[in-house]
Amino acid sequence: RKEVEQDPGPFNVPEGATVAFNCTYSNSASQSFFWYRQDCRKEPKLLMSVYSSGNEDGRFTAQLNRASQYISLLIRDSKLSDSATYLCVVIPTGGFKTIFGAGTRLFVKA
Amino acid sequence: NAGVTQTPKFQVLKTGQSMTLQCAQDMNHNSMYWYRQDPGMGLRLIYYSASEGTTDKGEVPNGYNVSRLNKREFSLRLESAAPSQTSVYFCASSESSQYQPQHFGDGTRLSIL
Repeated sequence: RKEVEQDPGPFNVPEGATVAFNCTYSNSASQSFFWYRQDCRKEPKLLMSVYSSGNEDGRFTAQLNRASQYISLLIRDSKLSDSATYLCVVIPTGGFKTIFGAGTRLFVKA
Repeated sequence: NAGVTQTPKFQVLKTGQSMTLQCAQDMNHNSMYWYRQDPGMGLRLIYYSASEGTTDKGEVPNGYNVSRLNKREFSLRLESAAPSQTSVYFCASSESSQYQPQHFGDGTRLSIL
């Protein structure tokens, strides 16, 4: 079993739609969680951190469920510019050996 | 506002050749990392340097060596390149404390024939 698993997609949604991605992790001692965005042939860029209490940044909402060991990302009112691969990232105890999921592809269409 | 700078951007090598990928950051970050990204595999950590003077193995260190030259620079060396090392290589850095998000360079696309 992979340490971090994501549905690879692709998710094809129309503009204005709401879309949600989930990510599961296997190490219950994981300490930090993030969502990154990666455009085609570009570097990953931090989208947002994920906290147990949940957090929101504009149209993006991230949630962490430690009991079930998953994190989620909700995108509301999807824009064409949201088309990208979304990477789930987990940092276990120790603090440095960051683990990336393989990513979920999102295509937003007009 | 450079952030993390990687050189070269592209490289083609023959099997058995050696080369060094360079990485420098100007954000005064203590920790630096090298990853490779292959289709369907996601990013995998090769080596990291928690602070100047230290380096540690990541998930896939075989066939690579690293040098933390100073606080700014962290290089990755392939001593004898193999076709299996064809990949996109990313360098990243993070602030001093653990569990911090990382900032990435724009990658080096390496092909080994």
